[in-house]
Amino acid sequence: QSALTQPASVSGSPGQSITISCTGTSSDVGAYKFVSWYQQHPGKAPKLLIYDVTNRPSGVSDRFSGSKSGNTASLTISGLQAEDEADYYCGSYRNTDTPGVFGTGTKVTVL
Amino acid sequence: EIQLVESGGGVVQSGGSLRLSCAASGFTFDDYAMHWVRQAPGKGLEWVSLISGDGGTTYYADSVEGRFTISRDNSKNSLYLQMGSLRTEDTALYYCTKDTRFFDWTYFDSWGQGTLVTVSS
Repeated sequence: QSALTQPASVSGSPGQSITISCTGTSSDVGAYKFVSWYQQHPGKAPKLLIYDVTNRPSGVSDRFSGSKSGNTASLTISGLQAEDEADYYCGSYRNTDTPGVFGTGTKVTVL
Repeated sequence: EIQLVESGGGVVQSGGSLRLSCAASGFTFDDYAMHWVRQAPGKGLEWVSLISGDGGTTYYADSVEGRFTISRDNSKNSLYLQMGSLRTEDTALYYCTKDTRFFDWTYFDSWGQGTLVTVSS
């Protein structure tokens, strides 16, 4: 039950764009639309940011966007702001003995 | 407004048992699968278990298979996690989360605030 692979950390200056990758396999990210992203600020519960690869829930800023190519999904944050400093996790449905899996998590730092 | 409120966490000795509860409101509880997700101190998210809307189907992570049991009481809008043979590596904040379909994993659109389980040696 190995986790999806994310970079441990990504940083950027205010106003810049950054991209976080989430690499899986043909049994999860590469095969299904159920890829999601979550934002977690320190001491808080995770919050859904992106679902079905590209969709944003109501209330989520359009500075956040998702995409997928092959077995790798990506989250892009445009116009980076101080409030975006948080941990980010991807998640995906998986057609194995367990129904899904999270990514290893990425800490975003705003310089 | 959807609310998920976990309870039942605490300090327990290695080998002991604990039962977590999650009270749900603001949605038709039995229409949706529910999950438990945990987060060890300073670590990432780890999916623990899933139960379908009618309680008829359950899944577990390998790390808890045979030791934890997920259940739900749709008449009380409540989700449970019975934890046994606890190990120090089970120490974590346990979140109750709501899926968007009756069965299976899609994504988690609502999360509780979590309940802390500490397993001492």
